[in-house]
Amino acid sequence: GEDVEQSLFLSVREGDSSVINCTYTDSSSTYLYWYKQEPGAGLQLLTYIFSNMDMKQDQRLTVLLNKKDKHLSLRIADTQTGDSAIYFCADPTLNMRFGAGTRLTVKP
Amino acid sequence: NAGVTQTPKFQVLKTGQSMTLQCAQDMNHNSMYWYRQDPGMGLRLIYYSASEGTTDKGEVPNGYNVSRLNKREFSLRLESAAPSQTSVYFCASSGGWTANEKLFFGSGTQLSVL
Repeated sequence: GEDVEQSLFLSVREGDSSVINCTYTDSSSTYLYWYKQEPGAGLQLLTYIFSNMDMKQDQRLTVLLNKKDKHLSLRIADTQTGDSAIYFCADPTLNMRFGAGTRLTVKP
Repeated sequence: NAGVTQTPKFQVLKTGQSMTLQCAQDMNHNSMYWYRQDPGMGLRLIYYSASEGTTDKGEVPNGYNVSRLNKREFSLRLESAAPSQTSVYFCASSGGWTANEKLFFGSGTQLSVL
């Protein structure tokens, strides 16, 4: 069964903010990861957050972690068409368990 | 740097045929992994190798075998392909074997079993 859950689709307009949500069941991870997969390519690490942090900001990306609710989110500010991709959250325990991925579509 | 290289990129098999997917990394990483990606299911771990000379089953190992040929190479073999093995296969590597190592991925092999 899946221990990391994400919604499958998100569509936004160019310039808007995107928020991709993830819930996980294991609480022992030191890090939680976000990976990005562009069409026809493998996954690439996008960002990560330490489990003792609530928020991490990296340019247009903001990661929020709510350990009590086991909820992780990725916010992309000023979303561009180049951000269109599938985004995966990943819990490194249990051999890096991935969510099903959220396909982000950015409309001009 | 090439990173993680997988071959072939595409393959079509008939049911019952066998084939080996090749993977090599040039980052001197200790750990290597094979995942499959299916629509709506994310990535599922097939097998992994924490270090040269060791291999272990992941979440979905049935129908597959692996060989860690040396530190660089980790191959995945389908002995008798089935339509349920139609998927995109990714090889990945990481520097060490802890629960927190980030993964580096190859570009994938799209396999269709007819």
